[in-house]
Amino acid sequence: GESVGLHLPTLSVQEGDNSIINCAYSNSASDYFIWYKQESGKGPQFIIDIRSNMDKRQGQRVTVLLNKTVKHLSLQIAATQPGDSAVYFCAENPPGGFKTIFGAGTRLFVKA
Amino acid sequence: DAGITQSPRHKVTETGTPVTLRCHQTENHRYMYWYRQDPGHGLRLIHYSYGVKDTDKGEVSDGYSVSRSKTEDFLLTLESATSSQTSVYFCAISAPDRDNSPLHFGNGTRLTVT
Repeated sequence: GESVGLHLPTLSVQEGDNSIINCAYSNSASDYFIWYKQESGKGPQFIIDIRSNMDKRQGQRVTVLLNKTVKHLSLQIAATQPGDSAVYFCAENPPGGFKTIFGAGTRLFVKA
Repeated sequence: DAGITQSPRHKVTETGTPVTLRCHQTENHRYMYWYRQDPGHGLRLIHYSYGVKDTDKGEVSDGYSVSRSKTEDFLLTLESATSSQTSVYFCAISAPDRDNSPLHFGNGTRLTVT
């Protein structure tokens, strides 16, 4: 079935370094992509999104890159901080319907 | 968390008993969803609602029913709980432009079925 996958289930980075979390999506018709952050005991929290007519979008310390040619999505976190430690999910919305497809998640550890 | 309250936060119940989880939103959003989260499966959609009394099934709807009698409340019922329904349940809402709006989640209900 359709799925959103992640290349790395865990990622450990040094505080202050940049982090890159990757994601592969399978539905070439998906036109909206979202990154979520989930901290322990909480629900997923929206971080940043991007529409298929864009290839890059920047937020505060975060950047999402979309490569439609290879169906790849990435989340870059600049100057990673201990508070960034969490599980990160990518998600895609195929056009129409209500089926947001979530990846399995990547756990980010930030070492002080 | 976007004005979403889930109750209870924790629940332990026995196999075969009915269980109802509640989601309450203060955002007046049209769309509401119930997901379950399990290790190795990520987030999976159980049911969703696109308005009062308008609901439909998601990918893992067997054993679950929902009701939405008011915009602000979306109830998830396990008619006869089974151990396989032990999970963390999340309610979510989204803005009217559903195809291009992120989901906003509550903080979940941890359900254990013994």
